[in-house]
Amino acid sequence: DAGVTQSPTHLIKTRGQQVTLRCSPKSGHDTVSWYQQALGQGPQFIFQYYEEEERQRGNFPDRFSGHQFPNYSSELNVNALLLGDSALYLCASSLVGTAYQETQYFGPGTRLLVL
Amino acid sequence: AQSVTQLDSHVSVSEGTPVLLRCNYSSSYSPSLFWYVQHPNKGLQLLLKYTSAATLVKGINGFEAEFKKSETSFHLTKPSAHMSDAAEYFCVVTSLGVGGYNKLIFGAGTRLAVHP
Repeated sequence: DAGVTQSPTHLIKTRGQQVTLRCSPKSGHDTVSWYQQALGQGPQFIFQYYEEEERQRGNFPDRFSGHQFPNYSSELNVNALLLGDSALYLCASSLVGTAYQETQYFGPGTRLLVL
Repeated sequence: AQSVTQLDSHVSVSEGTPVLLRCNYSSSYSPSLFWYVQHPNKGLQLLLKYTSAATLVKGINGFEAEFKKSETSFHLTKPSAHMSDAAEYFCVVTSLGVGGYNKLIFGAGTRLAVHP
């Protein structure tokens, strides 16, 4: 049973560029959430996708956008990269049901470095 | 608003001794609480989950946590530390957003060091 997978594992970009990160959810899961983990901090919620729509969003600017495909995989896009966007980006998948109790399973993350 | 406070940023124990990682939470409703572990350069692994069924929750690798509503605490314990337990541990609470969907609120993390 494949877990959550993310690509690429590492990425180096320069300020002002755009980046796309990809996530495939755990088999059977239909909801994808994205988190940003800055060095030495806990992950922070960016947004969540279900049925190809963003259903809730954290305190991140519009430079951060996403997409979910019919096969439940997801992309995170960041435009106009800033140095402060350097972080580990984590994808988590879950199965919608009793949303209150759904457990999220995390992928290994994509480490983004902005120079 | 929901929040989580991990009371120790670093904890150091000797192999074979007990582990205690402390977590207090704040929630306006009965929350779901989790502990996740993150080994160096790895993603997050779920250790255990509390969802109002039993206040003492057993997880993987010998870890357990007790939900104490009166103290708003959810401390993580293990009777005997192993070298492989050295990692970053995150206490997490759910936060209900628009439409009743949850997101996870993470604590700042506790780095556990285990010495021979």
